[in-house]
Amino acid sequence: GENVEQHPSTLSVQEGDSAVIKCTYSDSASNYFPWYKQELGKRPQLIIDIRSNVGEKKDQRIAVTLNKTAKHFSLHITETQPEDSAVYFCAASRGGSQGNLIFGKGTKLSVKP
Amino acid sequence: EAGVAQSPRYKIIEKRQSVAFWCNPISGHATLYWYQQILGQGPKLLIQFQNNGVVDDSQLPKDRFSAERLKGVDSTLKIQPAKLEDSAVYLCASSYGTSGYNEQFFGPGTRLTVL
Repeated sequence: GENVEQHPSTLSVQEGDSAVIKCTYSDSASNYFPWYKQELGKRPQLIIDIRSNVGEKKDQRIAVTLNKTAKHFSLHITETQPEDSAVYFCAASRGGSQGNLIFGKGTKLSVKP
Repeated sequence: EAGVAQSPRYKIIEKRQSVAFWCNPISGHATLYWYQQILGQGPKLLIQFQNNGVVDDSQLPKDRFSAERLKGVDSTLKIQPAKLEDSAVYLCASSYGTSGYNEQFFGPGTRLTVL
């Protein structure tokens, strides 16, 4: 069935360094790829998303890249700060559906001061 | 604007008991989702409503789980009877439109512990 693989499961960086999280998806019909941030004990919140007709999107310190041929997309966080510490989930839309998302298992990012 | 509301926030029950969760989406949002999030995993879709109709319930364990969305607004998710493996956070989310590109807004979740 459809699947989204996310790596790494944990990531620790020093404040100011960059962090990269990678995801691969299996459904070639997926056309929407959001990223959610979930702080401990809180609800997931959308931080950035990308559609299949775009290869890259940037919002301040956060960027997402998409390679449809290889079926993978990545989240890049530059100049990390302690408040970036959280679990990050990638997701891919299920082909043929209306808003269905398949989530990865998450990456726990720790930013050390 | 007010966010997605859920209740209760926590629930502890014994296996084979029944439990119900309630969700109130953001006003005007046509689409409502219920997700199950097991510890250490990403949210898994259980059911998706568009207004008061079911769009996708392919991953809902229908022998024990049921959900309804009366009048296209509030929704309830029920588990009867509960099993140990149902221990998880149940998240409700809503989105404004009906296409796949609309941002989903999540509620705070209900943490269910089945003993």
